[in-house]
Amino acid sequence: RKEVEQDPGPFNVPEGATVAFNCTYSNSASQSFFWYRQDCRKEPKLLMSVYSSGNEDGRFTAQLNRASQYISLLIRDSKLSDSATYLCVRRDGNKLVFGAGTILRVKS
Amino acid sequence: NAGVMQNPRHLVRRRGQEARLRCSPMKGHSHVYWYRQLPEEGLKFMVYLQKENIIDESGMPKERFSAEFPKEGPSILRIQQVVRGDSAAYFCASSPIYSETPTYEQYFGPGTRLTVT
Repeated sequence: RKEVEQDPGPFNVPEGATVAFNCTYSNSASQSFFWYRQDCRKEPKLLMSVYSSGNEDGRFTAQLNRASQYISLLIRDSKLSDSATYLCVRRDGNKLVFGAGTILRVKS
Repeated sequence: NAGVMQNPRHLVRRRGQEARLRCSPMKGHSHVYWYRQLPEEGLKFMVYLQKENIIDESGMPKERFSAEFPKEGPSILRIQQVVRGDSAAYFCASSPIYSETPTYEQYFGPGTRLTVT
């Protein structure tokens, strides 16, 4: 079983749609989680950290459910510029463990 | 404040040659990490270094790969006798001292795309 599992997609959505990505992890000792965004052939960039209480940053909301070992990312009012691969990440000591990513394509 | 710098951005090597990838961390960052991304796969941790020390190399292949972060100069990831399976994007990341950033954010460089022909 992969340490971090994501639905690879792609998710094809129209502009303005709400889209949700899910991620599960296998190591219950993990303490810190993140969502990164990676554009085609570019480096990953931190989108947001994920906290148990849930956190919101503009159109983006992240949730963590430790009991179910489940993380989610909700994007509201999708923009064309949101098209990218979204990476679910957990911290394992000093290293980051990445999921394979979920592809989002927002179309006009 | 310049970000993490990597060079070269693209590197082509024939099978059996050596590849040297360089990474300069962000100013003020003393921790460097190397990750590899194979085509159509997620990033995989390779090695974590601090100045003059390898802290965690649990993700490094046992042979042909080595890394260093000298007191002066960039971190180097070295791949000897490259094979076609080494073709990938190699990303370097840096972070400040752990205690200064509870979220322990790692900032990534633009990557080096290695192609082995």
